[in-house]
Amino acid sequence: QQQVKQSPQSLIVQKGGIPIINCAYENTAFDYFPWYQQFPGKGPALLIAIRPDVSEKKEGRFTISFNKSAKQFSLHIMDSQPGDSATYFCAASRMDSSYKLIFGSGTRLLVRP
Amino acid sequence: DAGVTQSPTHLIKTRGQQVTLRCSPISGHKSVSWYQQVLGQGPQFIFQYYEKEERGRGNFPDRFSARQFPNYSSELNVNALLLGDSALYLCASSSHEEQYFGPGTRLTVT
Repeated sequence: QQQVKQSPQSLIVQKGGIPIINCAYENTAFDYFPWYQQFPGKGPALLIAIRPDVSEKKEGRFTISFNKSAKQFSLHIMDSQPGDSATYFCAASRMDSSYKLIFGSGTRLLVRP
Repeated sequence: DAGVTQSPTHLIKTRGQQVTLRCSPISGHKSVSWYQQVLGQGPQFIFQYYEKEERGRGNFPDRFSARQFPNYSSELNVNALLLGDSALYLCASSSHEEQYFGPGTRLTVT
C-alpha cells in the first residue's frame, strides 16, 4: 500500500516559472516531511524539510507548504533555472519508527532556458 | 568535510552470486540506513542500524542482511542474487531525523 502519493509524474516549465509538486500521505503518525533532489547517477540530496506544526517553510528559492488537515504538502521552486532540472522526491517519516523514510514515486522536472 | 561514501561505485554480478556493499557515514553520525532504488522509482527502505543494533527492517527477503561496525561504517550483503536485485543501492547517514545519502552503488545482475 503506497503511503505517500506524489504528482505530477513529470513537469516542464520555462526558466523563471514556479513548478509545484504535490504529495499526499495517509498515515497521520508521520511527523517529518523532507524533499530530496536527485540528478541522474547521483544519490538524493536533502533540499528542505518540514514538521506538521508549521504551515510553510522557505529556504532560498524552495518553499514547502503543508496542510495538516488535508494530509498534503507541496514543493514550490521560485524563479526556476535550467540547473533545477532533476527528479524530486517527497518523503515522510515517524520518530517512533526511527525516521525510516517512505518516499513518493518522484517528479521529473525539466526547466527550459 | 566528507559526506557519505559508498563502495564500489558499480558492480556487475551473475544470478546466484553474493555481493557486499560498503558505506561510511558522515563523521559523528551513528545511524546508517540502506535503501534500494529501482530505475524510475523512489528509494525503498531496507535496513537501519544505530550503534551497531538493527533498528528497522523493510519488506525485503532474508537474502538481504546488513551489519554496522564499531566505527559506524556498514555493509549490506545480498545472497543468491536475482535479476530483480538490479538497482541503485543507497546508504544514508543520520544523527537525528535528517538523512544524508551517499552516491550509491549501481548493481547490475546478469
